[in-house]
Amino acid sequence: GESVGLHLPTLSVQEGDNSIINCAYSNSASDYFIWYKQESGKGPQFIIDIRSNMDKRQGQRVTVLLNKTVKHLSLQIAATQPGDSAVYFCAERERTALIFGKGTTLSVSS
Amino acid sequence: NAGVTQTPKFQVLKTGQSMTLQCAQDMNHEYMSWYRQDPGMGLRLIHYSVGAGITDQGEVPNGYNVSRSTTEDFPLRLLSAAPSQTSVYFCATISGPSGTEAFFGQGTRLTVV
Repeated sequence: GESVGLHLPTLSVQEGDNSIINCAYSNSASDYFIWYKQESGKGPQFIIDIRSNMDKRQGQRVTVLLNKTVKHLSLQIAATQPGDSAVYFCAERERTALIFGKGTTLSVSS
Repeated sequence: NAGVTQTPKFQVLKTGQSMTLQCAQDMNHEYMSWYRQDPGMGLRLIHYSVGAGITDQGEVPNGYNVSRSTTEDFPLRLLSAAPSQTSVYFCATISGPSGTEAFFGQGTRLTVV
């Protein structure tokens, strides 16, 4: 079975709203969890990561939360913009390679 | 710096044909991986390498071979193409054991008819 997955395949928000994208994982041995953004026709791009011994990490307009008790990871995007429209993947690092979830498509309307 | 370069960008194969997808990187990264991306399936790991001469299987290795003779190159070979291998293929690199940021190529869109 899949060890990393996202709860919802699609999410639609209005410009300026905050977006929350969720992910459930099953491999407790992963040392890092990472979020990627993929725009149409391109390869995924790194957004932010969080080490497994942390529960929160903030970047520019993004925050990642890790709840190891329920094996849940989320990406919060503040003041969502049309340029944030993309597919978002969570991934976990299993020693030497990244394992990706299925992705959530974020659509931002203005 | 070119980063991660994949060739070709598009390819159509007939069932049973073989071909090699090329991946080259100029970032001197130790780790390289191949993924396939299918609608609704996310990215699935095919094979990966932690350095020259070392390769290992990922989640979906059947029907694919890899080799890593140099740090820079990590080709993916389809031995006998099948329609189920129609997909978009991505090559990615990570700097090394402490890296979490993967750098991806632009992808190869492969269609097997």
